[in-house]
Amino acid sequence: DGGITQSPKYLFRKEGQNVTLSCEQNLNHDAMYWYRQDPGQGLRLIYYSQIVNDFQKGDIAEGYSVSREKKESFPLTVTSAQKNPTAFYLCASRHRGSNTEAFFGQGTRLTVV
Amino acid sequence: AQSVTQLGSHVSVSEGALVLLRCNYSSSVPPYLFWYVQYPNQGLQLLLKYTTGATLVKGINGFEAEFKKSETSFHLTKPSAHMSDAAEYFCAVSKGNSGNTPLVFGKGTRLSVIA
Repeated sequence: DGGITQSPKYLFRKEGQNVTLSCEQNLNHDAMYWYRQDPGQGLRLIYYSQIVNDFQKGDIAEGYSVSREKKESFPLTVTSAQKNPTAFYLCASRHRGSNTEAFFGQGTRLTVV
Repeated sequence: AQSVTQLGSHVSVSEGALVLLRCNYSSSVPPYLFWYVQYPNQGLQLLLKYTTGATLVKGINGFEAEFKKSETSFHLTKPSAHMSDAAEYFCAVSKGNSGNTPLVFGKGTRLSVIA
């Protein structure tokens, strides 16, 4: 079945460590997105990529980095520079066209311990 | 720039009662609008979307929404609430009128259904 796979489901990180969240899609979508979700804040855009080897900062990119070496993959690295990384992270992809919906993965819950 | 406002962070209804979740948008161009549902610790699932054409849009699980340009609204309704409807609901607008620019989401409305 086509879809988006995020791994791991739960992730624990010690302060000062970098950690990478995986996102893979087999929907042949051009665009991929990373959102952060905190209670009462809705979804806030971290980074997005419209094509391989290109990506743009979203509203809250500080302390995060991404790469897009393959169409299917868009990993997110949470660096030690991110001051409050504990959150629920959602990856999404979308076919070309602003009238198309985004498809979401099941999310990764990151906790800093 | 596009933006979305969801009125009410928490709505509580009795089982069998009407569900009404409010969404107002701001857009400098004709918008594309979406409603998503999220169950705890899961991703978002599309309920319905408005692109062009009929302003009353029907979605999954008995939900529907009406696009009202004059009111810049896209409220979500369901005639009779079911316990399984308890979840968080997000309204979103498509940013820009071309390409794969990101969806902009509201802050969400949590729906509780009381037996």
